[in-house]
Amino acid sequence: DAGITQSPRYKITETGRQVTLMCHQTWSHSYMFWYRQDLGHGLRLIYYSAAADITDKGEVPDGYVVSRSKTENFPLTLESATRSQTSVYFCASRPGTANTEAFFGQGTRLTVV
Amino acid sequence: AQSVSQHNHHVILSEAASLELGCNYSYGGTVNLFWYVQYPGQHLQLLLKYFSGDPLVKGIKGFEAEFIKSKFSFNLRKPSVQWSDTAEYFCAVTLNFGNEKLTFGTGTRLTIIP
Repeated sequence: DAGITQSPRYKITETGRQVTLMCHQTWSHSYMFWYRQDLGHGLRLIYYSAAADITDKGEVPDGYVVSRSKTENFPLTLESATRSQTSVYFCASRPGTANTEAFFGQGTRLTVV
Repeated sequence: AQSVSQHNHHVILSEAASLELGCNYSYGGTVNLFWYVQYPGQHLQLLLKYFSGDPLVKGIKGFEAEFIKSKFSFNLRKPSVQWSDTAEYFCAVTLNFGNEKLTFGTGTRLTIIP
């Protein structure tokens, strides 16, 4: 089905481990985003990408790495997970044209123990 | 950088009451404005959006919002809420040109009492 999908939906990992969250969209949208949602903070932008091979930092990029070798995929990697990275992560995409909205994936609930 | 403020953190209303959720943004240029809703356990869905034109925007499920440029505000309203409106509501802004980041407010949790 067309849309934006995230995997896994739930993940428990240990402190210090590397974790990769996947995001895939079928619309060929130019822009893709990663947010984390935490109580009291709303959604905060981690990284975003304007096109394949173009990425930029958001508000809270420390401890995260992204890549975008293909337009449809935008994986987010936690290089060495910490407990403070326990959160719900949302991926989003939007077209490159002006006056368009973003569409969100179902989210990944990550717990770092 | 742009920022968004949502003053109401948690609002509790009875069914059929009227709703107004505040949203203010800080940016003097042209902006695009959005309200998203997140029902319990679900992802964000678009309620309504403003790009240009009529400052009174109507969205899904009877929601509307008014863009008041002089007040940098984009408040969300609904004349009569239902129990099914229980959710978290997020205001968001993106600049019209150049910076394409979507910046969110901290959200307002709405609880409707039957």
